[in-house]
Amino acid sequence: DAKTTQPTSMDCAEGRAANLPCNHSTISGNEYVYWYRQIHSQGPQYIIHGLKNNETNEMASLIITEDRKSSTLILPHATLRDTAVYYCIVRVALGGAGSYQLTFGKGTKLSVIP
Amino acid sequence: GAGVSQSPRYKVTKRGQDVALRCDPISGHVSLYWYRQALGQGPEFLTYFNYEAQQDKSGLPNDRFSAERPEGSISTLTIQRTEQRDSAMYRCASSLAGVEETQYFGPGTRLLVL
Repeated sequence: DAKTTQPTSMDCAEGRAANLPCNHSTISGNEYVYWYRQIHSQGPQYIIHGLKNNETNEMASLIITEDRKSSTLILPHATLRDTAVYYCIVRVALGGAGSYQLTFGKGTKLSVIP
Repeated sequence: GAGVSQSPRYKVTKRGQDVALRCDPISGHVSLYWYRQALGQGPEFLTYFNYEAQQDKSGLPNDRFSAERPEGSISTLTIQRTEQRDSAMYRCASSLAGVEETQYFGPGTRLLVL
C-alpha cells in the first residue's frame, strides 16, 4: 500500500517558489515525513524531514498540516538545477515498531522552466 | 569528507554468472542499506545492516541474492546465477544510528545482464 500520494509532475518558472504537495493520510504518530530528490541518474539526495512542526533548512521549507495528513515542500526560488524527481516518504522513527528503510513511491517530476 | 562510494560503477555480465557489488559507507555510519532501482522507478529496499548484523532482508527477491558486512563497514551484495531481470541500478545508503536517521546514498552500480 502506498503511504504517500504525490502529483505525477509539476512545472515551475525559474526564480519562483515551487510548492510540492504530498498526502499521507494514514501517517502514524511516530512516523516522520522525509523528502528526497533525485536529479537525473544520481543517487537520491536528502532534502528535509519533520515530525509535526514546520521545518526550514538551506535547501527548502517543509510545511506539515496540523492533522499531519499532508505536507508541502517549498523551494523558495527554484533554479534550473532543481529539476528532479521529488519523493515524499513517511518512515517510522528509530526505536519505533516497523522497518527503517525508505519506501519510495513514484514521486513528482518537477520541471523548472527558464 | 568522502561520501558513500560504490564499485564497480558499471558491470556487464553474462546470464548465469555471479556478480559482487561493493559498498563503502561514510566513515562511522552504523547502518547500511541496499536498494535496487529500475529505470523510471524509485529505489526499492533490499536489505539493511546495523554494524555487521543483517537486520532485515525481506526485500531480497530470492535466494540468489545475498549480502554481508563482516566487519561492520564495507558491504558486498552478491547475485548468483544472474538473470536478465536482475539488470538495474543497485544503490547503497548509509546513516548514523540515531532517532532521526538520514540516509545518504552512493552513486550506484549499474548492472546489465546479457
